[in-house]
Amino acid sequence: ETGVTQTPRHLVMGMTNKKSLKCEQHLGHNAMYWYKQSAKKPLELMFVYSLEERVENNSVPSRFSPECPNSSHLFLHLHTLQPEDSALYLCASSQEGPAGGAETQYFGPGTRLLVL
Amino acid sequence: GQNIDQPTEMTATEGAIVQINCTYQTSGFNGLFWYQQHAGEAPTFLSYNVLDGLEEKGRFSSFLSRSKGYSYLLLKELQMKDSASYLCAVRDSNYQLIWGAGTKLIIKP
Repeated sequence: ETGVTQTPRHLVMGMTNKKSLKCEQHLGHNAMYWYKQSAKKPLELMFVYSLEERVENNSVPSRFSPECPNSSHLFLHLHTLQPEDSALYLCASSQEGPAGGAETQYFGPGTRLLVL
Repeated sequence: GQNIDQPTEMTATEGAIVQINCTYQTSGFNGLFWYQQHAGEAPTFLSYNVLDGLEEKGRFSSFLSRSKGYSYLLLKELQMKDSASYLCAVRDSNYQLIWGAGTKLIIKP
């Protein structure tokens, strides 16, 4: 496998379910990201793990919980989601520069999530 | 607030040239990115501009004017496979990426 992979590619879940999205990067990068992409809206940054520190977007509801066990793997744990959470969830990775600025981000194919 | 504006949708003809504009208002500037995203697929990196001027890469070119808060992506000799969404993103003073909503480009034969 090369680049950034995500599983599952499609997920349908009820509002009471618990599920997890998985992302793996094979690029040797030290920063990973979760984005939410809704139709005709800009990408919304949800979470960043950079140099093993988590940077959180305060507007993300607690029903989304990230986990980054190492620099190659990133999870997004989902529980008691709402129908408005239906979207494409994209994972990305990049190499953090020496001054702290992240370089180009490389994306996975995304998980298409439908909450019923 | 920070804002990236780009047209929602554009239509062009196979073999022609199209220019997709992006204007931005951000707190600081540390580079502008263009990404291509085919339906149901990952966004893929196209170009990066940090200095004023034109960057050419094959059929695609990207232009930046920092004083005007403006960039464009120029696609030449359009092919049907160029039908996709094109995302503009600006890295602000905190090195955070601010994204536009994307421009859906439709190529007609």
